[in-house]
Amino acid sequence: EVQLVQSGAEVKKPGESLKISCKGSGYSFTSYWIGWVRQMPGKGLEWMGIIYPGDSDTRYSPSFQGQVTISADKSISTAYLQWSSLKASDTAMYYCVRNYDGRIDYWGQGTLVTVSS
Amino acid sequence: NFMLTQPHSVSESPGKTVTISCTRSSGSIASNYVQWYQQRPGSSPTTVIYEDNQRPSGVPDRFSGSIDSSSNSASLTISGLKTEDEADYYCQSYDSSNSWVFGGGTKLTVL
Repeated sequence: EVQLVQSGAEVKKPGESLKISCKGSGYSFTSYWIGWVRQMPGKGLEWMGIIYPGDSDTRYSPSFQGQVTISADKSISTAYLQWSSLKASDTAMYYCVRNYDGRIDYWGQGTLVTVSS
Repeated sequence: NFMLTQPHSVSESPGKTVTISCTRSSGSIASNYVQWYQQRPGSSPTTVIYEDNQRPSGVPDRFSGSIDSSSNSASLTISGLKTEDEADYYCQSYDSSNSWVFGGGTKLTVL
């Protein structure tokens, strides 16, 4: 069974750094792109970027380029999304997703990030 | 890049049929497949339609998808509405650089 299991909810202060994770199982982790999707409170879905764990090829949405870093460790089948300096506007639910031919076929359960002073 | 525009909300009665549109701003709607995701409150989204009109296993045949090149749009149609269909629905496509685009989402109310 394919699963994407994300790390737990985080509460951080503005300016702090953060790295959240997404562990894939039940399939060949290096053979599928993994993406990240943001959902701000009460808002819609926004594509942030994707990574191919096989060779770490990474693409970012222009809206998120330079704001976050996407990475992966194929030895432990885990993808990451990280911030170097969080802002209150980063408060959101973040989903990792598996990309299959341009569509999302599996979603993680989501990681809620709350940034508040 | 292009945008996908959806109505903010739609409502219909149980047992009726509703259609949600998703209009592509530039480029042909037929250029890249369109997917539809359902998101119930407090839950992760799930796929109800992929590749324009394909249903994943487990999705009832009350859900159907189509594209219309004349209006450059995709549509999700739900027939025989049930209260459990009340959710947010998002269309999604992608461009040649593997960048994904989501529509703004449509809140479906079944009343």
